[in-house]
Amino acid sequence: KAGVTQTPRYLIKTRGQQVTLSCSPISGHRSVSWYQQTPGQGLQFLFEYFSETQRNKGNFPGRFSGRQFSNSRSEMNVSTLELGDSALYLCASTWDSWNNSPLHFGNGTRLTVT
Amino acid sequence: EDQVTQSPEALRLQEGESSSLNCSYTVSGLRGLFWYRQDPGKGPEFLFTLYSAGEEKEKERLKATLTKKESFLHITAPKPEDSATYLCAVSENRDDKIIFGKGTRLHILP
Repeated sequence: KAGVTQTPRYLIKTRGQQVTLSCSPISGHRSVSWYQQTPGQGLQFLFEYFSETQRNKGNFPGRFSGRQFSNSRSEMNVSTLELGDSALYLCASTWDSWNNSPLHFGNGTRLTVT
Repeated sequence: EDQVTQSPEALRLQEGESSSLNCSYTVSGLRGLFWYRQDPGKGPEFLFTLYSAGEEKEKERLKATLTKKESFLHITAPKPEDSATYLCAVSENRDDKIIFGKGTRLHILP
């Protein structure tokens, strides 16, 4: 069974640009969550999508947005990039987080903003 | 504000030297507590879910326990391949957000 796939693996962008990251969940998983990981703050919750609807959102500015497609694939977008957005962005899928089913993570997209 | 705190931040042990990692949490109603392992350059990998105080789960050299306010990850006779960052996370009854602690970086010396 294929795991969670995130693309691209690495990205280098300039301040002010925007970026789109992609996540393909495990087949059959309907919930996709996104996290930002930095050395200082650890893993911080961005948002969760379930059946194409945003079900939960963390405390990030509106520059961070996401969506989920009918095949459960998800994208997140960051507009007007800032230096502080440099981080590892992790996507995780699960059948349904309400049932405490464990999150399955991809290996992340490493975003560097210069 | 709800919080998940892990200690210590980093731990160096000799191979075979047992120890415990701590995760303390403050949530209004715990729905589940999770332990994950993360290797460098990879996403976290699920280890355990605990639901209620008194519960214990084991996997190889790892045992996770849960009380009303904290969880411990006990590592018995660790090997160098157990070196990783161990993350604790909680979900609460009011929503399905899963909140992570900052992790404990464990290094096992051969």
